[in-house]
Amino acid sequence: GENVEQHPSTLSVQEGDSAVIKCTYSDSASNYFPWYKQELGKRPQLIIDIRSNVGEKKDQRIAVTLNKTAKHFSLHITETQPEDSAVYFCAARADSSNTGKLIFGQGTTLQVKP
Amino acid sequence: NAGVTQTPKFRVLKTGQSMTLLCAQDMNHEYMYWYRQDPGMGLRLIHYSVGEGTTAKGEVPDGYNVSRLKKQNFLLGLESAAPSQTSVYFCATSIMLNTEAFFGQGTRLTVV
Repeated sequence: GENVEQHPSTLSVQEGDSAVIKCTYSDSASNYFPWYKQELGKRPQLIIDIRSNVGEKKDQRIAVTLNKTAKHFSLHITETQPEDSAVYFCAARADSSNTGKLIFGQGTTLQVKP
Repeated sequence: NAGVTQTPKFRVLKTGQSMTLLCAQDMNHEYMYWYRQDPGMGLRLIHYSVGEGTTAKGEVPDGYNVSRLKKQNFLLGLESAAPSQTSVYFCATSIMLNTEAFFGQGTRLTVV
């Protein structure tokens, strides 16, 4: 069935460094790829998303790249700050029958050390 | 404008008890989803609805039932709770396909 694999499960970086989280998906019909940030004890919130007709999207320090041929997409955070510390989830809309359901990766715990 | 509200926020159940989680949204969204979140497993889709009166199974539907009698409400039921259903449950909504999903604040359920 549909599957989204996310790596790494934990990531620790020094403040100011870059962080990269990678996801692969199984369903070639997937066409929507959002990224969510979840702070401790809070609800997941969308930080950026990309659609299959675009290869890259950027929003200030955050960027997402998509390689449809290889079926993988990545989140890039530059100039990391302590407030970037959270769990990050990738997701893919992996159903071509118009249900809109999102399949999530397992999550990456990012720690930014001051 | 409350967005997506889940009731209750916390609950402890004994094995075999039943309960219903309520998700209410005031954003007039068509699509609603129930996810469970467990450590190291991300968010897994339990059931979802593409509109009032419709429901469908997600990745992990066993042991749960849902109803969407009104557009603004999506109910998740546990008929006979099991310890394996101990989890944090999130409801989410979206206005249409390929748009942002808005999450409720979560319900932490413990089954003892």
